[in-house]
Amino acid sequence: EEQLVESGGGLVKPGGSLRLSCAASGFTFSRYAMNWVRQAPGKGLEYVSSISTDSRYIYYADSVKGRFTISRDNAKNSLYLQMNSLGAEDTAVYYCARDTEVSPAASGFGFDPWGQGTLVTVSS
Amino acid sequence: DIPMTQSPLSLSASVGDRVTITCRASQNIDFYLNWFQQKAGKAPKLLIYGASTLHTGVPSRFSGSGSGTDFTLTISSLQPEDFATYYCQQGYRFPLTFGGGTKVEIK
Repeated sequence: EEQLVESGGGLVKPGGSLRLSCAASGFTFSRYAMNWVRQAPGKGLEYVSSISTDSRYIYYADSVKGRFTISRDNAKNSLYLQMNSLGAEDTAVYYCARDTEVSPAASGFGFDPWGQGTLVTVSS
Repeated sequence: DIPMTQSPLSLSASVGDRVTITCRASQNIDFYLNWFQQKAGKAPKLLIYGASTLHTGVPSRFSGSGSGTDFTLTISSLQPEDFATYYCQQGYRFPLTFGGGTKVEIK
């Protein structure tokens, strides 16, 4: 079964940092672009970041550019999101999601599967 | 950025109804439009990609159409398990963007 499991969420003070991880299993991780999507409480989905299979191509939403860093370790079947300078507006459930198709970079054809999400709460 | 506008924001419908949700891109995105379904407390699930291709395992009552800037998700006969929030997403250009969502509620 193809599966993604996020970890690393929690409560952090404004200005603080957090590193999220996403462990992949059931598929060849190195063949797919990967993504982070977040959802603030009661709000819609917001794209955060994407990374190509070889980490050469990386994209961010404007709202996180310069503060967040996406990375991956294909040997460990893992995706990461380093989040710095966190503010209340970053409070959300963070989902890890795989690109739908095997492709070096994003295919443009959506995300599947998704992880269950990990909650990040930024509050003093 | 390419803003995506969904309508309506919400709708009430009965089991068996035909439901249509629209999504409009601020510029041409060819057929790089994807639809997701999200139920309360759960991760989103891919329904349709490439504007009209049904994802594996998705019931045939779901269909998508459109190209360029205007797209539609149709549920031909609403079932109890279809009450959820639906999101469109453009995959044409980074940063990828989602529509604001359409909540389908029971009438």
